[in-house]
Amino acid sequence: EPEVTQTPSHQVTQMGQEVILRCVPISNHLYFYWYRQILGQKVEFLVSFYNNEISEKSEIFDDQFSVERPDGSNFTLKIRSTKLEDSAMYFCASSDRLTQYFGPGTRLTVL
Amino acid sequence: GNSVTQMEGPVTLSEEAFLTINCTYTATGYPSLFWYVQYPGEGLQLLLKATKADDKGSNKGFEATYRKETTSFHLEKGSVQVSDSAVYFCALLNTGGFKTIFGAGTRLFVKA
Repeated sequence: EPEVTQTPSHQVTQMGQEVILRCVPISNHLYFYWYRQILGQKVEFLVSFYNNEISEKSEIFDDQFSVERPDGSNFTLKIRSTKLEDSAMYFCASSDRLTQYFGPGTRLTVL
Repeated sequence: GNSVTQMEGPVTLSEEAFLTINCTYTATGYPSLFWYVQYPGEGLQLLLKATKADDKGSNKGFEATYRKETTSFHLEKGSVQVSDSAVYFCALLNTGGFKTIFGAGTRLFVKA
């Protein structure tokens, strides 16, 4: 069964550094998303992406965040200058418009 | 706005007990409803879904029925196993929407 994959599974970085989280969505899906889950809290929507542009974004998704689909298979989330409060599990998802399928997540730890 | 409310946990049950996790929602339009499960140290897995009123989603012995009149989508299982221990998230995706709205999650512990 096709699935969403994410790399790395765990990323540790120093505050102020840039990080790029990578995702490979399900191949025939056209809608892509990033969510995050701070430890023990709700899963929160960050951004959705369709037709090479952002469809919707939350207030969390400020100028420090950006997304890109650099080629036909990858979908990336970049955080330009990480803060301590960016420490969370980041989930990528893709959909066929009816159901979103989530990847296993990348745990980001900012020190 | 759209929101999902689910019962607080943790819920602790003995093996073979009956499980109910309550979920209610607020939405404009006609959302699709989902239950996702997160096993310890893992990501979110789709457990079941229902796309319209009176639909019943089912998978791995779990069931939930989309009740428009009560705006609910309660998760049930007749006989839980230790391996069902996880966090369960109720969620909705509104018609034409781009984001899934999640409930806070309910942690389930099943004792042998």
